Amino acid sequence: GIQVEQSPPDLILQEGANSTLRCNFSDSVNNLQWFHQNPWGQLINLFYIPSGTKQNGRLSATTVATERYSLLYISSSQTTDSGVYFCAVSYGQNFVFGPGTRLSVLP
Amino acid sequence: DGGITQSPKYLFRKEGQNVTLSCEQNLNHDAMYWYRQDPGQGLRLIYYSQIVNDFQKGDIAEGYSVSREKKESFPLTVTSAQKNPTAFYLCASSVTSGLTDTQYFGPGTRLTVL
Repeated sequence: GIQVEQSPPDLILQEGANSTLRCNFSDSVNNLQWFHQNPWGQLINLFYIPSGTKQNGRLSATTVATERYSLLYISSSQTTDSGVYFCAVSYGQNFVFGPGTRLSVLP
Repeated sequence: DGGITQSPKYLFRKEGQNVTLSCEQNLNHDAMYWYRQDPGQGLRLIYYSQIVNDFQKGDIAEGYSVSREKKESFPLTVTSAQKNPTAFYLCASSVTSGLTDTQYFGPGTRLTVL
């Protein structure tokens, strides 16, 4: 089956810093989504981005489907950005999550 | 408010018992999903339903069962056949059927087997 990798596994930032999270996938996909899971377990969809670039406030994402990767950019990070960021891909009738990047933003 | 509710938030059960986790949505979404998350891991798909009275197995369906008798409800039963049931269970829904649409998640149920 398809493999989804995320890097880095852990990231610690000072408030105000910028960061880039990466998602690599091993095969062509129908769909790619980025999620944020807060420390209480709630998952929020950030982007639906099978290709191209999208921006939402301080967050933006780019997917290069032909090269099988996606990037999530967080600018001017805030403590509320802490949590785990997952990318997830679908292909056929399967939906696979990556292992996540755990982000800690320090005040 | 529209959204997805899961109950209970925490659930404890003895080994050998079946337990049913509730998931309800009032978003009028066609598709619903169940995921399992183990500590420090990503989510794994258990079952999904694209339409009422229809559902498909995901990657880790063994030891679980579901039903979809109503559009707004998709309960998950963790049976005694599930060897390691202690986990965080998340329910999700999406507007359209299939797996190519934005998914919205409930708050989750933490199941602990004693």
